[in-house]
Amino acid sequence: NAGVTQTPKFQVLKTGQSMTLQCAQDMNHNSMYWYRQDPGMGLRLIYYSASEGTTDKGEVPNGYNVSRLNKREFSLRLESAAPSQTSVYFCASSESGLSYEQYFGPGTRLTVT
Amino acid sequence: GENVEQHPSTLSVQEGDSAVIKCTYSDSASNYFPWYKQELGKRPQLIIDIRSNVGEKKDQRIAVTLNKTAKHFSLHITETQPEDSAVYFCAAGKIQGAQKLVFGQGTRLTINP
Repeated sequence: NAGVTQTPKFQVLKTGQSMTLQCAQDMNHNSMYWYRQDPGMGLRLIYYSASEGTTDKGEVPNGYNVSRLNKREFSLRLESAAPSQTSVYFCASSESGLSYEQYFGPGTRLTVT
Repeated sequence: GENVEQHPSTLSVQEGDSAVIKCTYSDSASNYFPWYKQELGKRPQLIIDIRSNVGEKKDQRIAVTLNKTAKHFSLHITETQPEDSAVYFCAAGKIQGAQKLVFGQGTRLTINP
């Protein structure tokens, strides 16, 4: 099992450009999440999806959109990138039940110039 | 909304000594408190978690304590080893299908040989 995968690993964008970060999980988890990680600020939740067909805002949703394409895939879109969106982006998934562990992907390092 | 404060931001201990990291939270409705470890350049990984109906949980050299009245919880690592060097994040949230977690700012733990 690959767990949680993310593409791309690295990306450089110019201000105003758009892009989509892709995330997929093969653990049959219901819930998926997008976080951003900035130095000294920990992980901040951007959007999450409790189950296929639902999405909800997290702490810092402005400037982002998401799509839960199916149970496996959850994408994050930046419509008009800004330098403030320079960050490392992590996707995660989890399942309710005995364990609530969130499994993280390897991350995407995004630089907006 | 929930707010999580984590202290200290950096911690340096001698190998074999104990390390303690403390977090406070603001929302009394939070009922799930995980701790994640992130090694340099890697993804965060769950090391231990506790739910609000339990005061303490141990897993070998790692323990977590929760004081619901004071709204704080702590991570204790005993007999520290070089491989414990990493950034540790606490988080707080509610279990309701998905877990909408708020993370602390992180503690960089360095184990000196």
